[in-house]
Amino acid sequence: DVVMTQSPLSLPVTLGQPASISCKSSQSLVYSDGDTYLNWFQQRPGQSPRRLIYKVSKRDSGVPERFSGSGSGTDFTLKISRVEAEDVGVYYCMQSIHWPLTFGGGTKVEIK
Amino acid sequence: EVQLLESGGGLVQPGGSLRLSCAASGFIFSTYNMNWVRQAPGKGLEWVSTFSATGDGTYYADSVKGRFTISRDNSKNTLYLQMNSLRAEDTAVYYCVRQQQGDNWGQGTLVTVSS
Repeated sequence: DVVMTQSPLSLPVTLGQPASISCKSSQSLVYSDGDTYLNWFQQRPGQSPRRLIYKVSKRDSGVPERFSGSGSGTDFTLKISRVEAEDVGVYYCMQSIHWPLTFGGGTKVEIK
Repeated sequence: EVQLLESGGGLVQPGGSLRLSCAASGFIFSTYNMNWVRQAPGKGLEWVSTFSATGDGTYYADSVKGRFTISRDNSKNTLYLQMNSLRAEDTAVYYCVRQQQGDNWGQGTLVTVSS
């Protein structure tokens, strides 16, 4: 199975400051079509997960521009340029090219 | 607007069975791979199963293989998960999710396995 390793586990951030979450996969996530299938999800308290980013860096409709994804191969990063109160929650990375599909363990973003 | 509405969760004894349903609307259901993903209380996300749009592939996590069966009825725009031989560790919120890339999620249905 492809292991997705996220860090840190917890991320206290001051409002208006940047935040960065790392996700590393145990295998390459590059598919035969040339795309890399790495997704990022946000789960606010009491809500279902919501996809923010797909194919490493493509932002979903309605996702604020302060969220950005980057990386390649096996090393990926989600960045929030300036954290807002509504960004509190748990963030997960997920790979969607190898069976079984696998998620990272999650990073809890909280306000200091 | 894409909508995924799960139902069928509840309390069941260990060894029992339950069937979850996911009613889909707002998109051409038959053309999308559909998935079940679960989340145990206070824990992270775990992929459970996928049914391909073409109908030529069903996939299961090792933890549920042989006990759970995924199916779909494209005429009813509905995805199902038949869960047999349930165990305490199957206790979770079960989400219906569109595409392997997870672009849309339902609100989830809680399954509790306990005596």
